[in-house]
Amino acid sequence: SAVISQKPSRDICQRGTSLTIQCQVDSQVTMMFWYRQQPGQSLTLIATANQGSEATYESGFVIDKFPISRPNLTFSTLTVSNMSPEDSSIYLCSGRGQRNTEAFFGQGTRLTVV
Amino acid sequence: EDKVVQSPLSLVVHEGDTVTLNCSYEVTNFRSLLWYKQEKKAPTFLFMLTSSGIEKKSGRLSSILDKKELFSILNITATQTGDSAIYLCAVVASGSRLTFGEGTQLTVNP
Repeated sequence: SAVISQKPSRDICQRGTSLTIQCQVDSQVTMMFWYRQQPGQSLTLIATANQGSEATYESGFVIDKFPISRPNLTFSTLTVSNMSPEDSSIYLCSGRGQRNTEAFFGQGTRLTVV
Repeated sequence: EDKVVQSPLSLVVHEGDTVTLNCSYEVTNFRSLLWYKQEKKAPTFLFMLTSSGIEKKSGRLSSILDKKELFSILNITATQTGDSAIYLCAVVASGSRLTFGEGTQLTVNP
């Protein structure tokens, strides 16, 4: 399976600011996803990052709040914009190959908004 | 809407005990079911199940899928304190996206 390097691993940010999280995969993957895991909860899919086009967002998530880029098959970024304390969460990127394979995850970013 | 339900939500056992974690699902166009272990932030992959009745095994962990009854179980025998973690079940359906259950928080006490 591929390895995803995600950074930063953690950050403490002021409300109203923005943070960009990066994920670099060591091999090409067909699909990349961004998840949020709020304290005590399971993983919620934010969006599917599409190479060279706009991401596909899940219900309750919008591009203005969570802009995503995926310029190639090995790299993606998620920005959390105009942050509030409610955005405090773990953010995870994930990749899957073309066939019915398992999804693998980056190390996660623990975001605290104060 | 795809749905994955795990039970129990939390479990406390003593070292050496055997545990069974459950995962049931309702999804359209099922493709596979995956189990993950989450200790800190990143979930680590345990098993992927696509066919009914075929047990997957890795050391003290094993898992099986029942596509007729729409559930899977994860067994851990002779538990150790290092098994303490959140165990996540996820289902891959149409569109290749994963839908996760709420997870089972397992605590193994010495």
